[in-house]
Amino acid sequence: QPVVTPSSSTSASLGSSVRLTCTLASRQSNYIIAWHHQQPGTAPRYLMKIEGSGAYTRGRGVSDRFSGSSSGADRYLTIANLQSEDGGDYFCETWDTYTSIFGGGTKLTVL
Amino acid sequence: EVELVESGGASVQPGESLRLSCAASGFTFSNHWMTWVRQAPGQGLEWVANIRIDGTEKNYADSAKGRFTISRDNAENSLFLQMDNLRPNDTAVYYCARFGFVSGTDHWGQGTLVTVSS
Repeated sequence: QPVVTPSSSTSASLGSSVRLTCTLASRQSNYIIAWHHQQPGTAPRYLMKIEGSGAYTRGRGVSDRFSGSSSGADRYLTIANLQSEDGGDYFCETWDTYTSIFGGGTKLTVL
Repeated sequence: EVELVESGGASVQPGESLRLSCAASGFTFSNHWMTWVRQAPGQGLEWVANIRIDGTEKNYADSAKGRFTISRDNAENSLFLQMDNLRPNDTAVYYCARFGFVSGTDHWGQGTLVTVSS
């Protein structure tokens, strides 16, 4: 069964950049992951998928302020020029042939 | 535009059953795996079950095995989750979502609330 571990909650200033990390188990370091964003009281929103190569594909309508990258078992979500609406919880997801797994979530506070 | 609309959430007592529905539009439903994901109050996302495009393969989280049944009607562009013997810890918002093995869970519904309490 796949395993993902998110980075700790963080805060960053309006207009700055922040990088969130999702770590796969070492035996699953080539897995694709997806990032999702959830604002309080709303449904999650798909942001992008990131492959082990570092290639990423944003979801439809997702701002190009969001980018992805990869290093080993780590998958990164970088948000540039932070806006107030970027605050909330960020979840990473991975999957295998049978199941999906979501990481515990990283809370981002925009100051 | 992809749209997923859940319905059927309610407040029930422990041991009771509930059937959630999800109406899909804006894409070719029969070409996509579908999934249910839930979120307990104040908690993270928990994958519940998924179903193959033709309904011939279904997978469940351990918490759902033996009590929940996922199904679909491709003619009606609909996804279902039959939940039996509900427990208080099944209390959550249940999301219908589209899943792809290349993209992950790439579209979400707005969710429907299930509350299990005596």
